[in-house]
Amino acid sequence: QSVLTQPPSVSAAPGQKVTISCSGSSSNIGNNYVSWYQQLPGTAPKLLIHDNNERPSGIPDRFSGSKSGTSATLGITGLQTGDEADYYCGTWDSSLSVGVFGGGTKLTVV
Amino acid sequence: QVQLQESGPGLVKPSETLSLTCTVSGGSVSSDLYYWTWIRQPPGKGLEWIGYIYHSGSTNYNPSLQSRVTISVDTSKNQFSLKLSSMTAADTAVYYCARESYTALDYWGQGTLVTVSS
Repeated sequence: QSVLTQPPSVSAAPGQKVTISCSGSSSNIGNNYVSWYQQLPGTAPKLLIHDNNERPSGIPDRFSGSKSGTSATLGITGLQTGDEADYYCGTWDSSLSVGVFGGGTKLTVV
Repeated sequence: QVQLQESGPGLVKPSETLSLTCTVSGGSVSSDLYYWTWIRQPPGKGLEWIGYIYHSGSTNYNPSLQSRVTISVDTSKNQFSLKLSSMTAADTAVYYCARESYTALDYWGQGTLVTVSS
């Protein structure tokens, strides 16, 4: 059971928009920065969003992040079949003194 | 461009100790700006943070693994390493090394699958 809660799966049509939620508590999301990772099949995770809403160089602006209270959201617009992947949220948990992740959300573009 | 590469055995016997090394290129493990982290992912499951080390040797481990894990750094070789003792089938996973910039894991190795089996 993951410390952060994500929906197991989401789906949307090509060109549409999707959001993925990540719910936590005051000891993790509520008081620490959230990051998001994309894991394409058979590959290592890749950083998409850091510091709640910042995109690393090279990440298209179709990807966005936000945080409110103890929840965070990843948004993806203009969906492409190449966006099909597992998406993970992550942050630090100050009470557990450990990095924590969500259980992952499988995005299907159909 | 920073690159990380894991190396070590792909098969470990139950009760033995896993030893993995992460070699860093394009960046320095001696940097004040980063922690050097291990994460694992059991087949078909999610990510689990194992722990990190700072260039000074300061470490922080996942409490669930703390009694079995040791992370060390070799600044002369620009490497850091993971040792996990008393391996069981539940430790079968892809093990990743990554650079942690205080708030995110910004560079990852490709991962190495470690299977625990006799």
